[in-house]
Amino acid sequence: EVHLVESGGGLVKPGGSLRLSCAASGFPFSSFSMNWIRQAPGKGLEWVSSIGRDNTYISHADSFKGRFTISRDDAKNSLYLQMDSLRAEDTAVYYCVRDYRGTFDNWGQGTLVAVSS
Amino acid sequence: DIQMTQSPSSLSVSVGDRVTITCQASQDISNYLNWYQQKPGKAPKLLIYDASNLQTGVPARFSGSGSGTDFTLTISSLQPEDIAVYYCQQYDSLPPFIFGPGTRLELK
Repeated sequence: EVHLVESGGGLVKPGGSLRLSCAASGFPFSSFSMNWIRQAPGKGLEWVSSIGRDNTYISHADSFKGRFTISRDDAKNSLYLQMDSLRAEDTAVYYCVRDYRGTFDNWGQGTLVAVSS
Repeated sequence: DIQMTQSPSSLSVSVGDRVTITCQASQDISNYLNWYQQKPGKAPKLLIYDASNLQTGVPARFSGSGSGTDFTLTISSLQPEDIAVYYCQQYDSLPPFIFGPGTRLELK
C-alpha cells in the first residue's frame, strides 16, 4: 500500500524559511514523478512544484519560482520542498502527491504551514 | 496557460439525486482530464482519469465523459458519503498542472 507522510510544517514568521519533507513507502519511489500541491484555508487546490523521476525535470508554478525549491533523495525514498521568503498568503496545507503522467493517484495527509507574525 | 472552469460552484442535493458537474477548458485538452473528490478535512482522492476511466475502488455510480474542452462528472444516485468538493484537473505529461475551482455538494 502506498504511504506518503509529510512533515516539517508549522508556524513561521513572514520572510522566514521552512523545509517540508515527505517519506514515501509501498512503491518504487525512484520510478515516479512527485509533486507538492497546496490548499489555502477554505480555498481550492493549487499545484506548486513537480520533480520527475531521476530528476529528469523540475518545475515550479510561476508564483513560487525563486522562492520554493523541490528536491528528492531516492536513496531515502524522500521528497522535499524548501520554502524561502515566506508570505502570509503561503499559509496552506501542503500535500505530497505521487503522479503518473500527470494524474495524481496518491496523496499524503498534508502538513499545515502557517505564516504569521 | 490553460484555464479551467467548473459549474456550478455549489449544488444543493438530496440522496438519490442524479448529479452532473461540468468542467470546461480554455483550449482543447483532448481527454487529459481527471476528477478528484475531497471530503472535509481529508486529502483529495482520484475518482476518474483520462476523462472517463474509473479509478480502482471507486463506486460505479460515478462516471465521466467528454473530450476537447467540455467534460462532465455524473453521480447516478447520490449517496450521503458523496457529499464533498469535486475538482477537475487538466494534465499533460509535463507540468504545469491546472485544477478547476471546485464544485461543492451540500445536502438539502
